Amino acid sequence: SQQGEEDPQALSIQEGENATMNCSYKTSINNLQWYRQNSGRGLVHLILIRSNEREKHSGRLRVTLDTSKKSSSLLITASRAADTASYFCATDGPNSGYALNFGKGTSLLVTP
Amino acid sequence: NAGVTQTPKFQVLKTGQSMTLQCAQDMNHNSMYWYRQDPGMGLRLIYYSASEGTTDKGEVPNGYNVSRLNKREFSLRLESAAPSQTSVYFCASGIATNYGYTFGSGTRLTVV
Repeated sequence: SQQGEEDPQALSIQEGENATMNCSYKTSINNLQWYRQNSGRGLVHLILIRSNEREKHSGRLRVTLDTSKKSSSLLITASRAADTASYFCATDGPNSGYALNFGKGTSLLVTP
Repeated sequence: NAGVTQTPKFQVLKTGQSMTLQCAQDMNHNSMYWYRQDPGMGLRLIYYSASEGTTDKGEVPNGYNVSRLNKREFSLRLESAAPSQTSVYFCASGIATNYGYTFGSGTRLTVV
């Protein structure tokens, strides 16, 4: 079953603002990952954070992980129109075998 | 360019028809996956193959079969298509615990 649940389902902001998306999951994990999907395209891997890490940065992306709350957040700073996409969290763990479990995604709209 | 190639990109089938979705990767990954994406449902795992010669069921395997032809290729077959199988199908390869998955661009399937 799907492990992650993103919040909010949809987010609309203006260019230059920060965008924060949250992900909650149910069972223990090894890693949590974030992916971006532009309309009509495949998913693109953004960042991976391991269960023993609390924060990770990649360019304008900042990911946090709180395993005690079973939650993660993705922060995109200084958003651009090109950041408009759907964002998914995905988890793997002892119960998932080799496969990632994806959430339902957050749809981000960045307007000029 | 290295990546995951899916064919076809679009397909319309009549109920009861069969077809095979093709996927090939050139990144020398052992693991490959098939997901389906439906509006509001995120991505759900259909089947995966941890290595050449092995396949396992995911969350929604009913109505599908797979073949791991060799290390590069992993095909998904619909033996008797049903309208409920109308979806976008994504193939991916990679290792969940390392650098994430690489996704193909998807096959948009409509069953009428």
